[in-house]
Amino acid sequence: DAKTTQPPSMDCAEGRAANLPCNHSTISGNEYVYWYRQIHSQGPQYIIHGLKNNETNEMASLIITEDRKSSTLILPHATLRDTAVYYCIVKMTGTASKLTFGTGTRLQVTL
Amino acid sequence: DTEVTQTPKHLVMGMTNKKSLKCEQHMGHRAMYWYKQKAKKPPELMFVYSYEKLSINESVPSRFSPECPNSSLLNLHLHALQPEDSALYLCASSQAQSGRMYEQYFGPGTRLTVT
Repeated sequence: DAKTTQPPSMDCAEGRAANLPCNHSTISGNEYVYWYRQIHSQGPQYIIHGLKNNETNEMASLIITEDRKSSTLILPHATLRDTAVYYCIVKMTGTASKLTFGTGTRLQVTL
Repeated sequence: DTEVTQTPKHLVMGMTNKKSLKCEQHMGHRAMYWYKQKAKKPPELMFVYSYEKLSINESVPSRFSPECPNSSLLNLHLHALQPEDSALYLCASSQAQSGRMYEQYFGPGTRLTVT
């Protein structure tokens, strides 16, 4: 599985967009980009995933560069409840298999 | 129902005790997972069950013994643990069909303290 690099921490004002970057320069053609987050003292929560095209759901948008070597998770209107550690994971398709979590980005949303 | 439940929420056990952690889901998922998370570290996979059969064991010590009695339940039996095994134990589940990896749904975890 490709390795990912994320900044250790970021701050965002409440109501503003939070843009969380992830580098995955060794990603291969059949590897997806997944984003999870973990709010303090809770289990990780799936956010979104994509292969090539940009994706959007009710939680976030995922922008993947054309060369697929990096991506950005966008929380359009961050709230205090979005304060969490965000993990970017690159994973091949397949049957039940493990998620390898990196160190993630600790996002602090402030008033 | 998109919930994974875990019991107990907290567990304190001595090094000679035997205890079990339980995990349950009713989403029809046929893959279930155990992860271990130490303080301020990311979760690390321990075991994966696919269709009630153990498919991945990440070289976990034998003092941790997983069991999947049916498609909805996953247990982790603990025996002769060490203080360094104190951690948050997370259970997750996902669909399991060939050709793609499905998102995993996590439970809230069991916080284990070994004294």
